[in-house]
Amino acid sequence: GDSVTQMEGPVTLSEEAFLTINCTYTATGYPSLFWYVQYPGEGLQLLLKATKADDKGSNKGFEATYRKETTSFHLEKGSVQVSDSAVYFCALSENSGGFKTIFGAGTRLFVKA
Amino acid sequence: DSGVTQTPKHLITATGQRVTLRCSPRSGDLSVYWYQQSLDQGLQFLIQYYNGEERAKGNILERFSAQQFPDLHSELNLSSLELGDSALYFCASSAPGRYEQYFGPGTRLTVT
Repeated sequence: GDSVTQMEGPVTLSEEAFLTINCTYTATGYPSLFWYVQYPGEGLQLLLKATKADDKGSNKGFEATYRKETTSFHLEKGSVQVSDSAVYFCALSENSGGFKTIFGAGTRLFVKA
Repeated sequence: DSGVTQTPKHLITATGQRVTLRCSPRSGDLSVYWYQQSLDQGLQFLIQYYNGEERAKGNILERFSAQQFPDLHSELNLSSLELGDSALYFCASSAPGRYEQYFGPGTRLTVT
């Protein structure tokens, strides 16, 4: 069945460091891929999305590219800030053999000043 | 503010009881999703409704049920509550033909 696998956290970085959070997926069809972010005490917010192969989603300095050949959607940011500390979720949605939406386990990021 | 509202914000109840969580989607959204988030199990998809009809079912227990009303708000009913049902319950909505979801602030359920 479909699945989403994220790198385990927590990830701890210093301010201005480069961030990569790995995400790989398995899917029977052609899913849309998403990154959501959850700040402490809040619900999830859509961070970025990509709907087809080679699409690049970007928002707030974060970006991720839909790689069909490696079934990956890694999240990157060139210079993190303390305010980026949150939990990041990779997710897929598709309507192949019935609608489904699957979230990864989440990766907690701590950014130190 | 995502435009999705959930009530109540917090709920404390005893084992064996029944509770109802309520969600109002963003204006214009027809799909409503329910999720359970606990510390040890991450975000679990429970169920989705589209314009009043059940569309997809995830890891929802038989003690749990949901419905979406003609005005598109949704309710999640949890019965015969157990300690392990303590969690954050999120509702999300999406627009017709779109997959991206907009989440509410959640209801924190504590079962004692």
